[in-house]
Amino acid sequence: GQQLNQSPQSMFIQEGEDVSMNCTSSSIFNTWLWYKQDPGEGPVLLIALYKAGELTSNGRLTAQFGITRKDSFLNISASIPSDVGIYFCAGPLNYGGSQGNLIFGKGTKLSVKP
Amino acid sequence: DGGITQSPKYLFRKEGQNVTLSCEQNLNHDAMYWYRQDPGQGLRLIYYSQIVNDFQKGDIAEGYSVSREKKESFPLTVTSAQKNPTAFYLCASSIDRRTYYGYTFGSGTRLTVV
Repeated sequence: GQQLNQSPQSMFIQEGEDVSMNCTSSSIFNTWLWYKQDPGEGPVLLIALYKAGELTSNGRLTAQFGITRKDSFLNISASIPSDVGIYFCAGPLNYGGSQGNLIFGKGTKLSVKP
Repeated sequence: DGGITQSPKYLFRKEGQNVTLSCEQNLNHDAMYWYRQDPGQGLRLIYYSQIVNDFQKGDIAEGYSVSREKKESFPLTVTSAQKNPTAFYLCASSIDRRTYYGYTFGSGTRLTVV
């Protein structure tokens, strides 16, 4: 079935660093979504991408919809402490009984360098 | 303010007990969802509902039950048949199943078996 693979699984950031993460699939997606989850809270939508090649920014966050439609990238520039959390990619299933429902990657966990 | 409310925030269950998690939204959304989140895992879909009095099983429905008697409410019952219920449970809603930009999550309920 369709799956989303996120990497890295976890990373440590130092304030001011740029951060990059990605999400890949063996299947084509028509929509890519990026969510952030703070500890003990529900995910919040950061960026939505609807077209192959699309590059969209939201403040210090920039996401891209891969040309092959099988991947997406999220970059965070000049990270700050409140960027810590878990970042999920998500996309709608294209087939089967659950067509239209979102599936989620396992997340990239951002933590502060000790 | 419109939003989606989950209660309680923390819940403890004894072996063999059924427990019900509440999810209420005042966003006038048609679609509602229940996800389960385990450490290091993505969000896995338990049940979803597109309209009142209708709901469908997701990927991991065994041991769970739901009802959708009102548009605003989508409670989840974790039955004694669910052998590993300890997890973080998230409820979400959207205008309809295909409005991905409008996927709103609650703050979650952490269920622990004692």
